[in-house]
Amino acid sequence: NAGVTQTPKFQVLKTGQSMTLQCAQDMNHNSMYWYRQDPGMGLRLIYYSASEGTTDKGEVPNGYNVSRLNKREFSLRLESAAPSQTSVYFCASSGQVWLYSNQPQHFGDGTRLSIL
Amino acid sequence: QQQVKQSPQSLIVQKGGISIINCAYENTAFDYFPWYQQFPGKGPALLIAIRPDVSEKKEGRFTISFNKSAKQFSLHIMDSQPGDSATYFCAASGANSKLTFGKGITLSVRP
Repeated sequence: NAGVTQTPKFQVLKTGQSMTLQCAQDMNHNSMYWYRQDPGMGLRLIYYSASEGTTDKGEVPNGYNVSRLNKREFSLRLESAAPSQTSVYFCASSGQVWLYSNQPQHFGDGTRLSIL
Repeated sequence: QQQVKQSPQSLIVQKGGISIINCAYENTAFDYFPWYQQFPGKGPALLIAIRPDVSEKKEGRFTISFNKSAKQFSLHIMDSQPGDSATYFCAASGANSKLTFGKGITLSVRP
């Protein structure tokens, strides 16, 4: 009963390094999301993928890229890490979006990323 | 522009008391209002959600009250327990299912 699995759980990078955060879900969900959580800021959407093969920008996309590798996997890449990207990153997934029937989002346990 | 605003910023309640967290939204196109609960080191988990066609929804000790005209909704936790100590987020979304979250509130329930 894994749900949404994120790897790694912790990572420390130096400024300018690149890194890919991995996310996989086993619930056969169509939609997947990447958020960042910062103290006092709540959760802010970075990118989302409504279905396999599509991706769209969220509220804070600058400095990030994403890949929806297949229905199960959605990765987030930092090409040149900056200290401002120090955060906790959460991946989430949700089922088919029906009109007037939003499906709940299921979250992973996050990746804690520090950039020095 | 913060589309979903939570209050208070933190809350301390005695065991057995009622915890009340409020949320206000601006976008009238929102039609889905969930509350998420997050424990330290874990991801947020859906607690309860409401749609604007009802004014109240209850699940166990948790109740959402919704006021469409005021664009506000609130979470009530009855008989609060120390195990309810967590961070609570309200959120809202429209037809595209993208959630907009409030900044979160830390609830501490004292024994």
